[in-house]
Amino acid sequence: EVQLLESGGALVQPGGSLRLSCAASGFTFSDYAMSWVRQAPGKGLEWVSSISYSGTITYDAESVKGRFTISRDNSKNTLFLQMNSLRAADTAIYFCAKVTLPEKLANGGFDYWGQGTLVTVSS
Amino acid sequence: DIQMTQSPSSVSASVGDRVTITCRTSQGIYTWLAWYQQKPGKAPKLLISAASSLQSGVPSRFSGSGSGTDFTLTISSLQPEDFATYYCQQANSFPLAFGGGTKVEIK
Repeated sequence: EVQLLESGGALVQPGGSLRLSCAASGFTFSDYAMSWVRQAPGKGLEWVSSISYSGTITYDAESVKGRFTISRDNSKNTLFLQMNSLRAADTAIYFCAKVTLPEKLANGGFDYWGQGTLVTVSS
Repeated sequence: DIQMTQSPSSVSASVGDRVTITCRTSQGIYTWLAWYQQKPGKAPKLLISAASSLQSGVPSRFSGSGSGTDFTLTISSLQPEDFATYYCQQANSFPLAFGGGTKVEIK
């Protein structure tokens, strides 16, 4: 059974940093690209960042470029999101998501999602 | 960047009704479009990938169609468990993008 378990969400002050983790199990993690998607309270879904199965290629949304860094450790089946210079607008539930097709960065959508971890940026 | 236009933003329907949701992209994306269902407090669930490919375990009353820039999600006979918010997502190129969502409410 595929499982994605996010952790690391917290209340943080504007300008602060946070590192999210997503522990994966139930599939060959190193075969699949992964992404982070967020959802602000009462709002729609927003793609944040994606990383290739090998970790060599990454893409970021313009809204987080230069502040967030996606990475992965295939030996530990874990996805990360390092979040720096946090703003109030970054307040959201952050989901990690698995790409449907092996070795593809995006095609096919996201077939498995974690339960999400809440990041609140406030003073 | 590809812009997503999903409509309607909300729809009121009764059990047994046929519901159609449309998604238009600002550029052609072949058939790289996915549809998700999200219920309150839950993660999104993939219903359809590649515009028309029904995910395993998803009821056959859900169907998707389209290619290029115009796509449709149809629920042929709405069931009580289908009341939720639905999102389309273009999976053709970066930056990835979601539609604004369609809330299907009980009439």
